[in-house]
Amino acid sequence: EVQLLESGGGLVQPGGSLRLSCAASGFTFISYSMAWVRQAPGKGLEWVAILNSISGNTYYVDSVKGRFTMSRDTSNDTVYLQMNSLRADDTAVYYCAKGVFQGGIRVAFDTWGLGTMVIVSS
Amino acid sequence: DIVMTQSPDSLAVSLGERATINCKSSQSVLFSSNNKNLLAWYQQKPGQPPKLLIYWASTRESGVPDRFTGSGSGTDFTLTISSLQAEDVAVYYCHQYYSLPLTFGGGTKVEIK
Repeated sequence: EVQLLESGGGLVQPGGSLRLSCAASGFTFISYSMAWVRQAPGKGLEWVAILNSISGNTYYVDSVKGRFTMSRDTSNDTVYLQMNSLRADDTAVYYCAKGVFQGGIRVAFDTWGLGTMVIVSS
Repeated sequence: DIVMTQSPDSLAVSLGERATINCKSSQSVLFSSNNKNLLAWYQQKPGQPPKLLIYWASTRESGVPDRFTGSGSGTDFTLTISSLQAEDVAVYYCHQYYSLPLTFGGGTKVEIK
């Protein structure tokens, strides 16, 4: 069974940092692009970052560029989201998601984790 | 950026009746390399992550009931639930994966009348 399990969320002060993890299982991790998508309380979905499984390149929404870094560890099938200089408007549930097809970033997301909550507040 | 505009924001439909959700993209999401529309639909129930229903605008994900149908091309797309069931109460999102930044519609809340 394909599964994604996020962890690492919590309460952090503005300007602080967090590192989210997403442990993957049930599929050939290295072959699929992975993404982070967030959802602020009571709001819609916002794509945050994507890692291209073919090139290893990462791409970000403008609002997090320079602050967030997505990476992967293929030895333990995990993707990470390092979040620095956090702001109140980063408060959201952060979901990890898997691309529906192997390779590339032009993919829908067929598997989502349950999400991890990040609250940025003093 | 491609802006995805969904309508209506919410709708109430009687059990067994048809529900129609529209999604318009600010530019075409038809990918010339494979002649497919890079448009997906997701269902999200309260307290749950989104669930993929449709990709390539009209391809139903494995296990999704056939009462869910996606249609459209270019910039105009529709998700139709042919006979609404109680378990279909949710928020539905369209999503374009044609270009970065990947973007989602604002969501349409479907309720039972």
